[in-house]
Amino acid sequence: QQQVKQSPQSLIVQKGGISIINCAYENTAFDYFPWYQQFPGKGPALLIAIRPDVSEKKEGRFTISFNKSAKQFSLHIMDSQPGDSATYFCAPSGTGNQFYFGTGTSLTVIP
Amino acid sequence: ETGVTQSPTHLIKTRGQQVTLRCSSQSGHNTVSWYQQALGQGPQFIFQYYREEENGRGNFPPRFSGLQFPNYSSELNVNALELDDSALYLCASSYYAGTGASYEQYFGPGTRLTVT
Repeated sequence: QQQVKQSPQSLIVQKGGISIINCAYENTAFDYFPWYQQFPGKGPALLIAIRPDVSEKKEGRFTISFNKSAKQFSLHIMDSQPGDSATYFCAPSGTGNQFYFGTGTSLTVIP
Repeated sequence: ETGVTQSPTHLIKTRGQQVTLRCSSQSGHNTVSWYQQALGQGPQFIFQYYREEENGRGNFPPRFSGLQFPNYSSELNVNALELDDSALYLCASSYYAGTGASYEQYFGPGTRLTVT
């Protein structure tokens, strides 16, 4: 199995704060780096993704930062809201369109 | 909401039985992947189907098998159910050009399987 390590395991942030979740991987053949958001009882939903030819991508309050040399990428949630409370997964993908999920980060945003 | 649908929503089976789970892909997608998500864990890749053939498999035994149909819908079959097979089974569809590069993958709501 491909090694994908995600941290922290859980995160508590005040409303309006910044949430940061990190993902480290080993396989240098990965070419697509998405983050998924999952609410209880639902399937994961694609949140934002980046390809290795750029170092940062921003969509609204969500930003991915990518460090190819360190084999790490992170998710930043600006102005965190209670509705952002969910479990977040990184899931890098490589040859053949196969995805390898991290262990997840449970985010709680306190009003 | 994505266009990926799964049935049934919930299922209870007895150890040793067989189960079939179904998935309909999002329109325009030609690839289906299946994942097992145990409680409190991330989804684990079972296998992927592209052009009706298995196109990669995770660390799951042969009693996990699948099919993809010409309309790109898919089935996951699990034989000789074990208690540890209790999990949320997720189907995800995507468009794959066959070039090796990865593309966006969209998940269905999952089927909750309980084995007693």
